[in-house]
Amino acid sequence: RKEVEQDPGPFNVPEGATVAFNCTYSNSASQSFFWYRQDCRKEPKLLMSVYSSGNEDGRFTAQLNRASQYISLLIRDSKLSDSATYLCVVSLGGYQKVTFGIGTKLQVIP
Amino acid sequence: DGGITQSPKYLFRKEGQNVTLSCEQNLNHDAMYWYRQDPGQGLRLIYYSQIVNDFQKGDIAEGYSVSREKKESFPLTVTSAQKNPTAFYLCASSVQETNQPQHFGDGTRLSIL
Repeated sequence: RKEVEQDPGPFNVPEGATVAFNCTYSNSASQSFFWYRQDCRKEPKLLMSVYSSGNEDGRFTAQLNRASQYISLLIRDSKLSDSATYLCVVSLGGYQKVTFGIGTKLQVIP
Repeated sequence: DGGITQSPKYLFRKEGQNVTLSCEQNLNHDAMYWYRQDPGQGLRLIYYSQIVNDFQKGDIAEGYSVSREKKESFPLTVTSAQKNPTAFYLCASSVQETNQPQHFGDGTRLSIL
């Protein structure tokens, strides 16, 4: 089993739709979780950290389910500008191993 | 503005040549990292450094070398021993505290001539 697994997509959704991505991780000792956004041929940029209680930033909501070992990202009211690849990142904490998922590609269609 | 600067944006390597990718940060971060990204794969760690004059191998260090003589700088050399160097190389940095994310430079695309 891969350390971090994501569905590569692509997810094609109409503008205004709500879309959710999941990411599963294999190491139950994982401490830190993040979602990054990566545009085509650009560097990853931090979208949001994922906290145990769940957190929201505008149209974006992140959730952590430690029992089932997955994190999720929900995007409401999708915009054309949300089209990108969303990377799930899992860390054991500190300088210990940080693992990146392969990313889920989102295409928002007019 | 604080950030991470990578140069050059594009680099071409000839057979048997070593090339060096630059990474400079002014975020006062202690930790710095080098990743390689290939199509359809997640980022893979090449080397990382927690402090000046110290660095550790990542998952795919063979054919690469680094130095950390200054806190701000973490150059990566792709040696001729790296037989498949074509990739997107990303430098990142972070603070020491646990649960803090990494921040990335805008990358260098390396190709073989």
